[in-house]
Amino acid sequence: GESVGLHLPTLSVQEGDNSIINCAYSNSASDYFIWYKQESGKGPQFIIDIRSNMDKRQGQRVTVLLNKTVKHLSLQIAATQPGDSAVYFCAENAGGQNFVFGPGTRLSVLP
Amino acid sequence: EADIYQTPRYLVIGTGKKITLECSQTMGHDKMYWYQQDPGMELHLIHYSYGVNSTEKGDLSSESTVSRIRTEHFPLTLESARPSHTSQYLCASTAGPLSDTEAFFGQGTRLTVV
Repeated sequence: GESVGLHLPTLSVQEGDNSIINCAYSNSASDYFIWYKQESGKGPQFIIDIRSNMDKRQGQRVTVLLNKTVKHLSLQIAATQPGDSAVYFCAENAGGQNFVFGPGTRLSVLP
Repeated sequence: EADIYQTPRYLVIGTGKKITLECSQTMGHDKMYWYQQDPGMELHLIHYSYGVNSTEKGDLSSESTVSRIRTEHFPLTLESARPSHTSQYLCASTAGPLSDTEAFFGQGTRLTVV
């Protein structure tokens, strides 16, 4: 069935380095994707979104890349900071009632 | 910061008790959702509502029930709590169809049934 999965459950990066969090999705009909950040004890917060008619979108220190050919989504965080430590979820929507969320990647920023 | 609130934040309760998790939003959103999330795991939709008097079950089967009597309020009720209900419950709302806009999430209620 439809599913969204993350390649790595945990990711550790040095402060100041760039982070890349990956996501694979299986529904080729998905046309809208969102990355959420969830800090400990809090609900998910929107980071950035992208529609299927785009392959790249940039925000403040974050970039989302979409490769529809291989059904792959990535989130790049530039100059990773301690405040970026959190669990990151990708979510896809194929125009249905709700998003399908992946299991999450825990990002740890090392001093 | 999103104006969506959940209470309580933490709840420890005995087996067999009836509990209601509260969710309120002040953004005037028609669409509201309840997700269940185990630690470090993905979110699973258990209930959603497209407006007053509208409630639907989500993808994950749940023994909970919901009601939507007012636009701003979407409570979730467990008639008889069991240890298997131990989880985090997240409420969300959207201004439009999920395919068009982000969801705003509450802080969550972490429920432990002993």
